[in-house]
Amino acid sequence: DTAVSQTPKYLVTQMGNDKSIKCEQNLGHDTMYWYKQDSKKFLKIMFSYNNKELIINETVPNRFSPKSPDKAHLNLHINSLELGDSAVYFCASSRTSRTGALYNEQFFGPGTRLTVL
Amino acid sequence: TQLLEQSPQFLSIQEGENLTVYCNSSSVFSSLQWYRQEPGEGPVLLVTVVTGGEVKKLKRLTFQFGDARKDSSLHITAAQPGDTGLYLCAGESPGTYKYIFGTGTRLKVLA
Repeated sequence: DTAVSQTPKYLVTQMGNDKSIKCEQNLGHDTMYWYKQDSKKFLKIMFSYNNKELIINETVPNRFSPKSPDKAHLNLHINSLELGDSAVYFCASSRTSRTGALYNEQFFGPGTRLTVL
Repeated sequence: TQLLEQSPQFLSIQEGENLTVYCNSSSVFSSLQWYRQEPGEGPVLLVTVVTGGEVKKLKRLTFQFGDARKDSSLHITAAQPGDTGLYLCAGESPGTYKYIFGTGTRLKVLA
């Protein structure tokens, strides 16, 4: 039983292409995230959705567009890929408490390794 | 900008040794989490600390949240090869739905 799944696991593409990464969680969580992990293993939040509403939008180029069709899915579309977009992208989900505090575990997917040539 | 600096960045030790990893910031966090990440996988939560001065133990791992909720430490007693991995702290930024991740500590325990 996979809790948070991402597809594809690996993505190799040319500069300038457009690509999408899909994420699904079967935990019944109401909050989902996209993180980028660079070559130095630094994990940085990009976006977060709570009940399909965008609640975190960090300083990310507008070539990156998240889409949440429902609470269980959060996809990431990237236009005009650049060399610097090469990284591992992680999707995560959590159950946000009624107070909005985040004392809750974030469950991470296995990651998508994106390589832009 | 909130930053969480972890030290050391890399650590290679022999099985049976003890170690401490530090997570420091000048900012206050509402809560702090520690994760372990293995190659090719996503981070997995080890513990969440919420109260300043809180100490939590998880078998051979001891976690402490600083009194001022600006820093934390992870102490491993009698390290084992299975402890090898990337350890990440993550602080909850007050008033946001956001965790700021630390710079990471790569631990290798040699048999």
